[in-house]
Amino acid sequence: KAGVTQTPRYLIKTRGQQVTLSCSPISGHRSVSWYQQTPGQGLQFLFEYFSETQRNKGNFPGRFSGRQFSNSRSEMNVSTLELGDSALYLCASSLSDKETQYFGPGTRLLVL
Amino acid sequence: DQQVKQNSPSLSVQEGRISILNCDYTNSMFDYFLWYKKYPAEGPTFLISISSIKDKNEDGRFTVFLNKSAKHLSLHIVPSQPGDSAVYFCAASSLQGAQKLVFGQGTRLTINP
Repeated sequence: KAGVTQTPRYLIKTRGQQVTLSCSPISGHRSVSWYQQTPGQGLQFLFEYFSETQRNKGNFPGRFSGRQFSNSRSEMNVSTLELGDSALYLCASSLSDKETQYFGPGTRLLVL
Repeated sequence: DQQVKQNSPSLSVQEGRISILNCDYTNSMFDYFLWYKKYPAEGPTFLISISSIKDKNEDGRFTVFLNKSAKHLSLHIVPSQPGDSAVYFCAASSLQGAQKLVFGQGTRLTINP
């Protein structure tokens, strides 16, 4: 079974731009979560989607948003990029509640 | 407020010996704990988990121990192998935020031949 895939793997943007990252979960998994990893803050939860509905949200500004499609694929969007948004963005999928989350390889975003 | 803490940023162990990685948490609502291993430029790989109704879970060379009264968990790897060299993250979740994992800062484990 294929793992979680994320595209693109690397991205360079400039301040003020917006970016959309994509995540395809493991086949059959309906829950998709997004995390941000930075050297200073570590791994932090962004939000989680299940059956196209956002169920949980972390402490990030409204510039960070996401959505999930009927095939469970998910996208996250960051608008008005700031230098501090440079990070590794990780997507994880799981079958459902309280099931183990499996991570993709991440998208490394650099904001200049 | 860091709810999950891994106080050792790094650990060096001889090949063949036991590696013990520690994790402390403060939120008594956490009821599910996981360990992930991460190589550079890759996503975290799930290793082992434990729910709060147990105090030990074993999978091959990996054993996780949970001490609820001390709010402490540990991961034991025995015997340690060079391929175990990576950053290890402990994570926790609660019933209310089941898929919201709270991670520790990670411990870099180096296995020396």
